Amino acid sequence: ETGVTQTPRHLVMGMTNKKSLKCEQHLGHNAMYWYKQSAKKPLELMFVYSLEERVENNSVPSRFSPECPNSSHLFLHLHTLQPEDSALYLCASSHVTGELFFGEGSRLTVL
Amino acid sequence: AQSVTQLGSHVSVSEGALVLLRCNYSSSVPPYLFWYVQYPNQGLQLLLKYTTGATLVKGINGFEAEFKKSETSFHLTKPSAHMSDAAEYFCAVIRSDAAGNKLTFGGGTRVLVKP
Repeated sequence: ETGVTQTPRHLVMGMTNKKSLKCEQHLGHNAMYWYKQSAKKPLELMFVYSLEERVENNSVPSRFSPECPNSSHLFLHLHTLQPEDSALYLCASSHVTGELFFGEGSRLTVL
Repeated sequence: AQSVTQLGSHVSVSEGALVLLRCNYSSSVPPYLFWYVQYPNQGLQLLLKYTTGATLVKGINGFEAEFKKSETSFHLTKPSAHMSDAAEYFCAVIRSDAAGNKLTFGGGTRVLVKP
């Protein structure tokens, strides 16, 4: 595998469920990102990890919890979400000073 | 703070016609600028980027963009549209610091190509 891989590609969950999104990069990058893409809204940066340390959290609700166990893996843990959290969640990676490479996204539907 | 404005959320072009997607930015420092493309049910793919040097930047799939500092613009063009160009296009400006790169995206422009 090459590039940035996200799993699952599609996820449907109830508001009381706990689930996780996974991202893996095979590019040797040292920074990873979570973006949220909702209909009719600009792409929103959620979290940034640089050298496995969280360096940015853009006022994201605590029902979203990121985890970066190493430079190749990034998770987004989901708990008690709301229907308005339904969106495409995009993972990206980069060298600290390079352009971002995106995965294909995980489409989340919250019922 | 950086920001990006894309004029027109939807653009319709005929196959073979010129594609022109407009992007204006604001940045307090010399910007790094990007165009990404998103095909249906896929992530974002880098089309081209401007960092320094030549202001006319060529990208993949026949696209190019010109950085015009005086106009704070980075418009994307392709001389002849192809059906496969139907997608959503995002202009972005980057903020870099020791913690990494943060892309600020425009709202996107969806391109429809008519046969």
